[in-house]
Amino acid sequence: AQSVTQLDSHVSVSEGTPVLLRCNYSSSYSPSLFWYVQHPNKGLQLLLKYTSAATLVKGINGFEAEFKKSETSFHLTKPSAHMSDAAEYFCVVSQNTGFQKLVFGTGTRLLVSP
Amino acid sequence: NAGVTQTPKFQVLKTGQSMTLQCAQDMNHNSMYWYRQDPGMGLRLIYYSASEGTTDKGEVPNGYNVSRLNKREFSLRLESAAPSQTSVYFCASRLATNEQFFGPGTRLTVL
Repeated sequence: AQSVTQLDSHVSVSEGTPVLLRCNYSSSYSPSLFWYVQHPNKGLQLLLKYTSAATLVKGINGFEAEFKKSETSFHLTKPSAHMSDAAEYFCVVSQNTGFQKLVFGTGTRLLVSP
Repeated sequence: NAGVTQTPKFQVLKTGQSMTLQCAQDMNHNSMYWYRQDPGMGLRLIYYSASEGTTDKGEVPNGYNVSRLNKREFSLRLESAAPSQTSVYFCASRLATNEQFFGPGTRLTVL
Protein backbone atom coordinates (compact mmCIF):
# COMPACT_ATOMS: atom_id res chain seq x y z
CA ALA A 1 0.00 0.00 0.00
CA GLN A 2 1.10 3.54 -0.61
CA SER A 3 0.47 6.74 1.28
CA VAL A 4 1.64 10.31 1.40
CA THR A 5 1.79 12.67 4.35
CA GLN A 6 2.17 16.38 3.84
CA LEU A 7 3.36 17.62 7.17
CA ASP A 8 1.97 21.16 6.97
CA SER A 9 -1.51 22.18 5.86
CA HIS A 10 -0.42 25.83 5.56
CA VAL A 11 2.98 27.50 5.11
CA SER A 12 3.45 31.27 5.20
CA VAL A 13 6.56 33.01 3.86
CA SER A 14 7.59 36.49 2.86
CA GLU A 15 8.44 37.29 -0.74
CA GLY A 16 12.13 36.66 -1.38
CA THR A 17 12.56 34.13 1.45
CA PRO A 18 13.08 30.37 1.01
CA VAL A 19 10.20 27.92 0.67
CA LEU A 20 10.13 24.43 2.23
CA LEU A 21 7.09 22.17 1.79
CA ARG A 22 7.49 18.82 3.51
CA CYS A 23 6.35 15.43 2.26
CA ASN A 24 6.87 11.91 3.59
CA TYR A 25 5.78 8.83 1.70
CA SER A 26 5.22 5.15 2.25
CA SER A 27 5.46 2.63 -0.56
CA SER A 28 5.91 -1.13 -0.79
CA TYR A 29 7.58 -0.79 -4.17
CA SER A 30 10.06 1.51 -5.80
CA PRO A 31 8.00 4.69 -6.07
CA SER A 32 7.63 7.53 -8.48
CA LEU A 33 7.05 10.83 -6.72
CA PHE A 34 5.55 14.06 -7.99
CA TRP A 35 4.75 17.56 -6.88
CA TYR A 36 1.73 19.25 -8.45
CA VAL A 37 0.64 22.86 -7.99
CA GLN A 38 -2.94 24.14 -8.09
CA HIS A 39 -3.68 27.84 -8.37
CA PRO A 40 -7.10 29.04 -7.22
CA ASN A 41 -9.94 27.69 -9.35
CA LYS A 42 -7.50 26.02 -11.71
CA GLY A 43 -6.49 22.47 -12.56
CA LEU A 44 -3.30 20.79 -11.39
CA GLN A 45 0.03 21.43 -13.05
CA LEU A 46 3.08 19.20 -12.72
CA LEU A 47 6.00 20.94 -11.01
CA LEU A 48 8.49 18.08 -11.02
CA LYS A 49 8.81 14.31 -10.83
CA TYR A 50 11.21 11.68 -9.48
CA THR A 51 11.34 8.34 -11.30
CA SER A 52 14.47 6.59 -9.92
CA ALA A 53 17.03 8.64 -11.79
CA ALA A 54 18.83 11.55 -10.08
CA THR A 55 17.73 12.06 -6.48
CA LEU A 56 17.77 15.87 -6.80
CA VAL A 57 15.04 16.85 -9.19
CA LYS A 58 14.66 20.29 -10.71
CA GLY A 59 11.26 21.51 -11.82
CA ILE A 60 9.59 24.53 -13.27
CA ASN A 61 9.59 28.03 -11.77
CA GLY A 62 12.77 27.43 -9.73
CA PHE A 63 11.40 24.61 -7.58
CA GLU A 64 13.38 21.50 -6.75
CA ALA A 65 12.95 18.42 -4.57
CA GLU A 66 15.28 15.81 -3.15
CA PHE A 67 14.38 12.14 -2.86
CA LYS A 68 15.77 10.70 0.38
CA LYS A 69 15.06 7.00 0.62
CA SER A 70 16.50 6.64 4.12
CA GLU A 71 14.10 9.30 5.40
CA THR A 72 11.23 8.40 3.03
CA SER A 73 10.97 12.09 2.22
CA PHE A 74 10.51 14.20 -0.89
CA HIS A 75 10.52 17.80 0.32
CA LEU A 76 9.91 20.67 -2.11
CA THR A 77 12.10 23.77 -1.93
CA LYS A 78 12.63 27.09 -3.65
CA PRO A 79 15.38 29.55 -2.74
CA SER A 80 13.29 32.69 -3.08
CA ALA A 81 9.49 32.90 -3.00
CA HIS A 82 7.55 35.01 -5.45
CA MET A 83 4.02 36.31 -5.00
CA SER A 84 2.91 34.14 -7.92
CA ASP A 85 3.95 31.01 -5.97
CA ALA A 86 0.92 31.37 -3.69
CA ALA A 87 -1.10 28.22 -4.41
CA GLU A 88 -1.87 24.75 -3.11
CA TYR A 89 0.81 22.10 -3.53
CA PHE A 90 0.22 18.35 -3.65
CA CYS A 91 2.79 15.63 -3.08
CA VAL A 92 1.88 12.46 -4.97
CA VAL A 93 3.23 8.90 -4.99
CA SER A 94 2.83 6.20 -7.59
CA GLN A 95 4.23 2.69 -7.62
CA ASN A 96 6.46 1.62 -10.48
CA THR A 97 4.89 -1.80 -10.97
CA GLY A 98 1.60 -2.82 -12.49
CA PHE A 99 -0.93 -0.19 -13.49
CA GLN A 100 0.18 3.02 -11.88
CA LYS A 101 -2.38 4.89 -9.79
CA LEU A 102 -1.56 8.15 -8.11
CA VAL A 103 -2.06 8.62 -4.37
CA PHE A 104 -2.36 12.26 -3.34
CA GLY A 105 -1.40 14.00 -0.15
CA THR A 106 -3.93 16.34 1.43
CA GLY A 107 -2.15 19.43 0.16
CA THR A 108 -0.17 22.37 1.56
CA ARG A 109 -1.40 25.89 1.00
CA LEU A 110 1.49 28.29 0.45
CA LEU A 111 0.84 31.91 1.40
CA VAL A 112 3.31 34.57 0.24
CA SER A 113 3.25 38.03 1.80
CA PRO A 114 4.90 41.15 0.38
CA ASN B 1 -3.42 21.24 -28.79
CA ALA B 2 -6.02 21.83 -26.06
CA GLY B 3 -4.76 19.12 -23.66
CA VAL B 4 -7.54 17.86 -21.36
CA THR B 5 -10.90 19.63 -21.59
CA GLN B 6 -13.92 19.25 -19.33
CA THR B 7 -17.52 20.37 -19.63
CA PRO B 8 -19.36 21.91 -17.95
CA LYS B 9 -17.24 24.18 -15.72
CA PHE B 10 -20.03 24.62 -13.18
CA GLN B 11 -23.26 22.75 -12.46
CA VAL B 12 -25.97 22.90 -9.83
CA LEU B 13 -28.25 19.88 -9.43
CA LYS B 14 -31.12 18.97 -7.17
CA THR B 15 -30.99 15.74 -5.20
CA GLY B 16 -32.03 12.85 -7.41
CA GLN B 17 -31.22 14.50 -10.73
CA SER B 18 -28.79 12.90 -13.14
CA MET B 19 -26.02 14.36 -15.23
CA THR B 20 -22.94 13.45 -17.23
CA LEU B 21 -19.57 15.15 -16.95
CA GLN B 22 -17.63 15.14 -20.17
CA CYS B 23 -13.87 14.84 -20.60
CA ALA B 24 -11.76 14.76 -23.74
CA GLN B 25 -8.03 14.72 -24.43
CA ASP B 26 -6.19 15.32 -27.69
CA MET B 27 -2.78 13.95 -26.65
CA ASN B 28 -3.39 10.37 -27.80
CA HIS B 29 -3.05 9.07 -24.23
CA ASN B 30 -4.21 5.55 -23.47
CA SER B 31 -5.13 6.03 -19.81
CA MET B 32 -7.75 8.37 -18.40
CA TYR B 33 -8.96 9.08 -14.87
CA TRP B 34 -11.73 10.75 -12.89
CA TYR B 35 -10.98 12.27 -9.47
CA ARG B 36 -12.96 14.24 -6.96
CA GLN B 37 -11.43 16.92 -4.77
CA ASP B 38 -12.89 17.77 -1.39
CA PRO B 39 -11.50 20.25 1.15
CA GLY B 40 -8.67 18.79 3.24
CA MET B 41 -8.72 15.45 1.43
CA GLY B 42 -6.57 15.88 -1.66
CA LEU B 43 -7.77 14.14 -4.82
CA ARG B 44 -9.44 10.75 -4.66
CA LEU B 45 -9.73 8.41 -7.62
CA ILE B 46 -13.29 7.56 -8.67
CA TYR B 47 -12.75 5.47 -11.82
CA TYR B 48 -10.02 4.98 -14.35
CA SER B 49 -9.60 3.56 -17.82
CA ALA B 50 -6.27 1.94 -18.63
CA SER B 51 -7.09 1.79 -22.33
CA GLU B 52 -9.98 2.20 -24.73
CA GLY B 53 -12.71 -0.30 -23.89
CA THR B 54 -11.70 -0.89 -20.27
CA THR B 55 -12.77 0.79 -17.04
CA ASP B 56 -12.04 0.01 -13.38
CA LYS B 57 -13.14 1.27 -9.99
CA GLY B 58 -10.92 3.52 -7.97
CA GLU B 59 -11.08 4.49 -4.33
CA VAL B 60 -14.59 6.06 -4.25
CA PRO B 61 -16.74 4.65 -7.10
CA ASN B 62 -20.13 4.42 -5.35
CA GLY B 63 -22.81 6.55 -6.99
CA TYR B 64 -20.91 6.95 -10.26
CA ASN B 65 -20.62 5.25 -13.63
CA VAL B 66 -18.20 5.86 -16.45
CA SER B 67 -17.95 5.30 -20.19
CA ARG B 68 -14.78 5.25 -22.24
CA LEU B 69 -16.48 6.26 -25.47
CA ASN B 70 -13.31 6.15 -27.57
CA LYS B 71 -9.64 6.88 -27.02
CA ARG B 72 -10.27 10.62 -26.63
CA GLU B 73 -13.35 10.71 -24.41
CA PHE B 74 -14.10 9.49 -20.89
CA SER B 75 -17.40 10.52 -19.29
CA LEU B 76 -18.58 10.35 -15.69
CA ARG B 77 -22.27 9.89 -14.92
CA LEU B 78 -24.20 10.56 -11.74
CA GLU B 79 -27.48 8.64 -12.01
CA SER B 80 -29.12 10.08 -8.89
CA ALA B 81 -27.16 12.95 -7.42
CA ALA B 82 -26.77 13.28 -3.65
CA PRO B 83 -25.49 16.23 -1.58
CA SER B 84 -22.43 14.11 -0.67
CA GLN B 85 -21.42 14.33 -4.32
CA THR B 86 -20.93 18.08 -4.09
CA SER B 87 -17.29 18.41 -5.06
CA VAL B 88 -14.85 19.52 -7.72
CA TYR B 89 -14.29 16.84 -10.35
CA PHE B 90 -11.08 16.52 -12.32
CA CYS B 91 -10.38 14.44 -15.35
CA ALA B 92 -6.81 13.43 -16.20
CA SER B 93 -4.94 11.49 -18.85
CA ARG B 94 -1.58 9.82 -18.71
CA LEU B 95 1.53 9.34 -20.78
CA ALA B 96 3.38 6.04 -20.86
CA THR B 97 5.37 7.42 -17.91
CA ASN B 98 3.52 8.13 -14.69
CA GLU B 99 2.88 11.81 -15.35
CA GLN B 100 -0.80 12.73 -15.51
CA PHE B 101 -2.23 15.80 -17.19
CA PHE B 102 -5.30 17.37 -15.60
CA GLY B 103 -8.27 19.23 -16.95
CA PRO B 104 -9.53 22.51 -15.43
CA GLY B 105 -12.22 20.82 -13.33
CA THR B 106 -16.01 20.84 -12.96
CA ARG B 107 -17.45 22.42 -9.83
CA LEU B 108 -20.64 20.52 -8.92
CA THR B 109 -23.15 21.49 -6.25
CA VAL B 110 -25.99 19.16 -5.29
CA LEU B 111 -28.79 20.81 -3.31
